[in-house]
Amino acid sequence: GAGVSQSPRYKVAKRGQDVALRCDPISGHVSLFWYQQALGQGPEFLTYFQNEAQLDKSGLPSDRFFAERPEGSVSTLKIQRTQQEDSAVYLCASSFAGDRGELFFGEGSRLTVL
Amino acid sequence: RKEVEQDPGPFNVPEGATVAFNCTYSNSASQSFFWYRQDCRKEPKLLMSVYSSGNEDGRFTAQLNRASQYISLLIRDSKLSDSATYLCVVNRDTGRRALTFGSGTRLQVQP
Repeated sequence: GAGVSQSPRYKVAKRGQDVALRCDPISGHVSLFWYQQALGQGPEFLTYFQNEAQLDKSGLPSDRFFAERPEGSVSTLKIQRTQQEDSAVYLCASSFAGDRGELFFGEGSRLTVL
Repeated sequence: RKEVEQDPGPFNVPEGATVAFNCTYSNSASQSFFWYRQDCRKEPKLLMSVYSSGNEDGRFTAQLNRASQYISLLIRDSKLSDSATYLCVVNRDTGRRALTFGSGTRLQVQP
């Protein structure tokens, strides 16, 4: 399909496990964003890439969270030693027009930490 | 204080009603404004941008008041399909440049 693709759609992890969430943006979109959305809340910014450069990671809640986009296309969000408070939907979005254009979101990866 | 604040609702309205949502933002450096729509357990999607002069898209009208740092969305002739959460979104021109989302206002249109 032509949209943003995220995998896995659902992930259940035991507390302390590491998880990796993948995002495949729309082809040609240079900007890629990760957001975290808790139940009943709006998406909260985590980090932003322009091509392979991570320009803003100020939203990452702790050093357990790490994101990369090594070739400027697919991105991976990694969470180490997961905690229950990490349970949320992780949304990836991409944009052609840098940080001011419309964001196109994937369906998200729903993480549940037991 | 959150950077973007919205009344969470829910707003329960009958079909055909007019409903208005408000949103305030705290950062005066915000330059771009949007309304996104999010259906239950789905991803957010852009509904419309908000321009200083106000703008209309069919049954939807968005207004911006920079002096009061206030954004509104008016929906006329509500349809059942308008039931969703409406997210107020702002973008700074400096500092963190990513979009900042409000918590959303839930609308339920009833037959």
